[in-house]
Amino acid sequence: EDQVTQSPEALRLQEGESSSLNCSYTVSGLRGLFWYRQDPGKGPEFLFTLYSAGEEKEKERLKATLTKKESFLHITAPKPEDSATYLCAVRKGATGRRALTFGSGTRLQVQP
Amino acid sequence: DTEVTQTPKHLVMGMTNKKSLKCEQHMGHRAMYWYKQKAKKPPELMFVYSYEKLSINESVPSRFSPECPNSSLLNLHLHALQPEDSALYLCASSDVLGNTGELFFGEGSRLTVL
Repeated sequence: EDQVTQSPEALRLQEGESSSLNCSYTVSGLRGLFWYRQDPGKGPEFLFTLYSAGEEKEKERLKATLTKKESFLHITAPKPEDSATYLCAVRKGATGRRALTFGSGTRLQVQP
Repeated sequence: DTEVTQTPKHLVMGMTNKKSLKCEQHMGHRAMYWYKQKAKKPPELMFVYSYEKLSINESVPSRFSPECPNSSLLNLHLHALQPEDSALYLCASSDVLGNTGELFFGEGSRLTVL
């Protein structure tokens, strides 16, 4: 059975304290791994797409990496405005099926 | 600002009411989605429309009825809901062709069933 598991469930950091979030997956026919950020009561906001092992993407203080079994979202010197829930999602299957399956998320809190 | 617009932002309804959630996008996307999200849980896929045709129904109860009148609009008709249906309902769209896979989400409609 396909699974997407995120850890930790919650993470509290001090401002400037770098850390990593993990997303492990067992999916047959992976067609992309996605990272989203979600603020309370809002829709998910797209961050990155990774397609193949070894791929890396960066955006400001965030860097996403992908291996054959997991993805990491590295947060360097986080700021309070980085506080949010970070969701990992996978897409699989034939052309035309573009739905995503989400992991349970990591709730990040960055304290000043 | 999100390019996927959902209305209403908040909806309270009784179990005997009939209401609708609406979603609109003007990005030329040909795939549109409904997701349901309970508190502190990830979004769960409900329906997928591709080229205005229903392509995926994730075994959603018939009290939820989707409709895609045209390529820019997606509705979710609600009837005889249960209190456990209270959740944030998210609409999303994506480009069917190509390979980006990115889904653009709206802000969601917060539904409370009394």
